[in-house]
Amino acid sequence: GNSVTQMEGPVTLSEEAFLTINCTYTATGYPSLFWYVQYPGEGLQLLLKATKADDKGSNKGFEATYRKETTSFHLEKGSVQVSDSAVYFCALSDRPQGAQKLVFGQGTRLTINP
Amino acid sequence: EAGVAQSPRYKIIEKRQSVAFWCNPISGHATLYWYQQILGQGPKLLIQFQNNGVVDDSQLPKDRFSAERLKGVDSTLKIQPAKLEDSAVYLCASSLAGGGGDTQYFGPGTRLTVL
Repeated sequence: GNSVTQMEGPVTLSEEAFLTINCTYTATGYPSLFWYVQYPGEGLQLLLKATKADDKGSNKGFEATYRKETTSFHLEKGSVQVSDSAVYFCALSDRPQGAQKLVFGQGTRLTINP
Repeated sequence: EAGVAQSPRYKIIEKRQSVAFWCNPISGHATLYWYQQILGQGPKLLIQFQNNGVVDDSQLPKDRFSAERLKGVDSTLKIQPAKLEDSAVYLCASSLAGGGGDTQYFGPGTRLTVL
């Protein structure tokens, strides 16, 4: 079946460091890919998405590129801030048409120290 | 614009008791989802509604879980009887139409502890 595997956490970085959170997927067909973020005490919110191969999603300084050849969608940010501390979830939607069904990875907890 | 509302935020019950959660989606959103998020895992879809019809309930443990969405707006998720392994955060989400590139908006969740 379809699945998403994320980099094990927790990840701890200093402010202004470079961030990479790895995400790989297994799916039949051509899924849409998403990164969701959960800040402390808040609900999940969409960070960025890409719907086809080679698309790059970006938001709030974060980027991720849909790589079909490596079945990956790694999240990157050039300079992290304390406010980026959160849990990050990679997800895929295996129904490009019709009702969307999200399959999530296990999440990666990120802590940024000042 | 108001977000997805859920209540209660926290619930503690003993095993074999019953419990119900309520969700009010964003106004105008046709699609509503219930997810179960066990500690340390990503959310898992339990059931998906399109208006007041069920689209996908393949991962809903139907012997103890039930859900309804009357009039295509609010929804309730019920567990009866609860088991220890049902301890989790129950998330409600909604989207405009449910299509492949549609954005799902999540509520804050209900944290259930079964003792």
